Amino acid sequence: GAVVSQHPSWVICKSGTSVKIECRSLDFQATTMFWYRQFPKQSLMLMATSNEGSKATYEQGVEKDKFLINHASLTLSTLTVTSAHPEDSSFYICSAARTEYNEQFFGPGTRLTVL
Amino acid sequence: AQSVAQPEDQVNVAEGNPLTVKCTYSVSGNPYLFWYVQYPNRGLQFLLKYITGDNLVKGSYGFEAEFNKSQTSFHLKKPSALVSDSALYFCAVSPNTGGFKTIFGAGTRLFVKA
Repeated sequence: GAVVSQHPSWVICKSGTSVKIECRSLDFQATTMFWYRQFPKQSLMLMATSNEGSKATYEQGVEKDKFLINHASLTLSTLTVTSAHPEDSSFYICSAARTEYNEQFFGPGTRLTVL
Repeated sequence: AQSVAQPEDQVNVAEGNPLTVKCTYSVSGNPYLFWYVQYPNRGLQFLLKYITGDNLVKGSYGFEAEFNKSQTSFHLKKPSALVSDSALYFCAVSPNTGGFKTIFGAGTRLFVKA
């Protein structure tokens, strides 16, 4: 299988600050990564598709200026939550697509708490 | 609209008994089908997938799933449940139209009692 890591695994920040979450594919190159948000006891909601070297594609209703995504290399995508507010508190999960397996490999998730 | 349905919020089963977690989908064409398991505060772990071929797919930890094209279902099964199987299970479908965009079901919580 393939390994995808996320850092940090959890973060607590003050309202108004920005938080960056990293998603790395450790043993393969991923041209496409995805960012999901999961509310308690709910399913995963796709936020955006991150493509290496190009702009991310955001799902309807997701604020692109608030959730900045950068996919600067084939092994790293970052999600920055800008001017975070308590309602941004959630579990954020990334995944990396691996073409030869026809599937996504998921990171362990990042728990964000905004005070 | 494309969708994935997991009709049961929760499934309760006694240890040692067989378990089934249901999934139906409404996606055109020949989608790829997946099952994932999630433990508290963790990411998703892959269990199994159906791409093509044999309708019965065997996966990790003794799980298997049966693809039924006519009923557009992909139910997850295990012959003998373990307490450690207690977790949140997600069915997911990828429309196979290019890219890996995936539609997730709402999830089913499985409780296995000792």
